[in-house]
Amino acid sequence: EAQVTQNPRYLITVTGKKLTVTCSQNMNHEYMSWYRQDPGLGLRQIYYSMNVEVTDKGDVPEGYKVSRKEKRNFPLILESPSPNQTSLYFCASRLFLGTEAFFGQGTRLTVV
Amino acid sequence: RKEVEQDPGPFNVPEGATVAFNCTYSNSASQSFFWYRQDCRKEPKLLMSVYSSGNEDGRFTAQLNRASQYISLLIRDSKLSDSATYLCVVRLGSYQLTFGKGTKLSVIP
Repeated sequence: EAQVTQNPRYLITVTGKKLTVTCSQNMNHEYMSWYRQDPGLGLRQIYYSMNVEVTDKGDVPEGYKVSRKEKRNFPLILESPSPNQTSLYFCASRLFLGTEAFFGQGTRLTVV
Repeated sequence: RKEVEQDPGPFNVPEGATVAFNCTYSNSASQSFFWYRQDCRKEPKLLMSVYSSGNEDGRFTAQLNRASQYISLLIRDSKLSDSATYLCVVRLGSYQLTFGKGTKLSVIP
């Protein structure tokens, strides 16, 4: 089954404790991205990757890192999480121009 | 001016009603257009792409007006299961998608 898998689905952590949210897709898509979704602000792109070892900042990259060592994986790293990073996070992948974006099920992160 | 704007709603409509959503985009160079559906606390899923000629999928009709830079979605004969948030999505450059904040629809029995 074609899918984008995120883990964990729910996470509560404390300020400053490094964490990684994993994202994996099995569709051989070149393009992957991370979004955060907050009430009243909609989906905002954090980082994206056009292929292995090619990443770039989205609209709200501060406080986040990513890596793309393999085509299927695109982890999101929070080196020192802060409460303003409490949000619902989605990973998405897409084949190429104009095609459908497939989303993971989301990770609800709470930073206390 | 926001890149993609939608009326946030909520739209509360009775079953069987016809409801229309509009979306405007600011960049005339935008190339691809989509409507996504998002159920509460779930991931967005593609509802339909939007083409210049307009397109229809069952009870759903999407239209694009490039001159006025707006996109519309019409839902006929609304069902309870249509209750969701509808996201207008625009692709400008090679890869990046820009999402509207969504319009919430509640279909009432």
